Amino acid sequence: DAMVIQNPRYQVTQFGKPVTLSCSQTLNHNVMYWYQQKSSQAPKLLFHYYDKDFNNEADTPDNFQSRRPNTSFCFLDIRSPGLGDAAMYLCATSRLGVGVADTQYFGPGTRLTVL
Amino acid sequence: AQKITQTQPGMFVQEKEAVTLDCTYDTSDPSYGLFWYKQPSSGEMIFLIYQGSYDQQNATEGRYSLNFQKARKSANLVISASQLGDSAMYFCAMRENLGNQGGKLIFGQGTELSVKP
Repeated sequence: DAMVIQNPRYQVTQFGKPVTLSCSQTLNHNVMYWYQQKSSQAPKLLFHYYDKDFNNEADTPDNFQSRRPNTSFCFLDIRSPGLGDAAMYLCATSRLGVGVADTQYFGPGTRLTVL
Repeated sequence: AQKITQTQPGMFVQEKEAVTLDCTYDTSDPSYGLFWYKQPSSGEMIFLIYQGSYDQQNATEGRYSLNFQKARKSANLVISASQLGDSAMYFCAMRENLGNQGGKLIFGQGTELSVKP
């Protein structure tokens, strides 16, 4: 089945220790998104890629970066995690094109704990 | 700016009964898309149903239907014949167009649905 996969499902890191979260997709979608969802809140977009074009949200901290080496994979790098970065990180994909709804399909998420 | 409002933080429904989850939206864009997602305690966001602003008919997907009232700017989700597995957080979302670079989802605050046996 075509799907969005995130690894790891749970990640524990120490304050200030860099961490990388990964996302892969078999849907062949041209857009990939990273959302941050803190406890009891709605998801919030950090950035997204349309093909190789990177689009950063204006209020995304510099501490967060992303890479998309190919269509299937996208990575979220947190350079120096703080306690406030503990959250669920959701990857989503969509197909942007004429006459399509551009529905976003999400992976299972990575729950990040910062000690 | 676009905005989604879900006024019901929590809802209870008896198993096998129908339930309506409210969602109102605000946008000045004549073309928009509305989505409902289900998020169980495991955390995954599961796409349920989509309604386009120009769609004439209300969207339906199995036990899910969307009561779209454009003039009132509401897009309520109706779940028929509730099941215990429907217990989850439900998010209403609107797609904000980002030009030729895609669109981002603006989410409401969610409604926690609990289905009672």
